[in-house]
Amino acid sequence: GAGVSQSPSNKVTEKGKDVELRCDPISGHTALYWYRQSLGQGLEFLIYFQGNSAPDKSGLPSDRFSAERTGGSVSTLTIQRTQQEDSAVYLCASRGANNEQFFGPGTRLTVL
Amino acid sequence: QQQVKQSPQSLIVQKGGIPIINCAYENTAFDYFPWYQQFPGKGPALLIAIRPDVSEKKEGRFTISFNKSAKQFSLHIMDSQPGDSATYFCAAKAAGNKLTFGGGTRVLVKP
Repeated sequence: GAGVSQSPSNKVTEKGKDVELRCDPISGHTALYWYRQSLGQGLEFLIYFQGNSAPDKSGLPSDRFSAERTGGSVSTLTIQRTQQEDSAVYLCASRGANNEQFFGPGTRLTVL
Repeated sequence: QQQVKQSPQSLIVQKGGIPIINCAYENTAFDYFPWYQQFPGKGPALLIAIRPDVSEKKEGRFTISFNKSAKQFSLHIMDSQPGDSATYFCAAKAAGNKLTFGGGTRVLVKP
């Protein structure tokens, strides 16, 4: 595809359940980022993957959050034992040779 | 140290007016300052970006002004149109290519 894609676009879950959010970056982009955007707020950095290097996990808010990137392409963000405060839009971005980060449309997560 | 403060939170202008959005930062290690435009239900899209060795950059109707000594930068939208109504985010990047975002400004351009 031409851009970053994310799935699902919307996810409603019950408190305590685990969720997985998927990101397909732009082909050939070596860097991939996850951000969280709460209602009416700015974007909060979560985690960053660059090539084969160890990911920068410094933005993950708790150990319930984890992410992996398989084969240097698709990434999955997993939230275990979801809480209501996890409700937000989760955005993925990929970056190529220059500094520009291209964002996907996001996954809107609602925890009931 | 990593914060980027953005103001105002919202802005209403008439068509043809010039919305101005301001951002301030503390971390002198920031070396790249992009602005993103976000429409409802969409991800942010890069609008224009500047490096600290430049004081002004124009792309179409969008202009960034950068004041390195004051650690401030701003976005001006010239001849604003209703289609410019969106939320605008400033951001800053230091080493590691992580972007630190401002809180966003919701701009409404009235016809």
